[in-house]
Amino acid sequence: AQSVTQLGSHVSVSEGALVLLRCNYSSSVPPYLFWYVQYPNQGLQLLLKYTTGATLVKGINGFEAEFKKSETSFHLTKPSAHMSDAAEYFCAVSTGGFKTIFGAGTRLFVKA
Amino acid sequence: DAGVTQSPTHLIKTRGQQVTLRCSPKSGHDTVSWYQQALGQGPQFIFQYYEEEERQRGNFPDRFSGHQFPNYSSELNVNALLLGDSALYLCASSLVGQQETQYFGPGTRLLVL
Repeated sequence: AQSVTQLGSHVSVSEGALVLLRCNYSSSVPPYLFWYVQYPNQGLQLLLKYTTGATLVKGINGFEAEFKKSETSFHLTKPSAHMSDAAEYFCAVSTGGFKTIFGAGTRLFVKA
Repeated sequence: DAGVTQSPTHLIKTRGQQVTLRCSPKSGHDTVSWYQQALGQGPQFIFQYYEEEERQRGNFPDRFSGHQFPNYSSELNVNALLLGDSALYLCASSLVGQQETQYFGPGTRLLVL
């Protein structure tokens, strides 16, 4: 069975500071991994995904994530936070099938 | 290029009633998945439709049912509504063989009183 754990339901950073959102997964087969962002009263937008190949994945809006199999992690980072990054972020896992499992989400606050 | 659209945007029902939510997939997509997102939680997979058939189902009771039409659009039906069914219902579309790449609609927010 697959599962996702997002460490920290809330993360607060200052504008210009590093953003680090943590995600650990569990999967019995090689996983596909995703990060989505959700702004208030909106659906989910795909930030980036890992399927195969390069373990460092670059996404939209300056975000990137690194797949570390030995640590079963897929943490999301951005070197410099912007006010517009304030949103809810979801890590997700699938095994290329039909079902995607989402974490509980991390709300990112950006302070001016 | 039209993205995923859902209707209605908001809905209020009372316990015991039935509701139908609608989804039109992104142009060119043939697979539709439905998710329930309760307040403060991540989305939970309800089921997926392809070629007008349910391919896989999450841990949801039979009160939740769906349908896919020949034009790939889809409906989610919930019978005998409970207060706990209050949530944001998200539709996601994808292309068969590339199901890992899903595009989400804005959702329908259902409130059950």
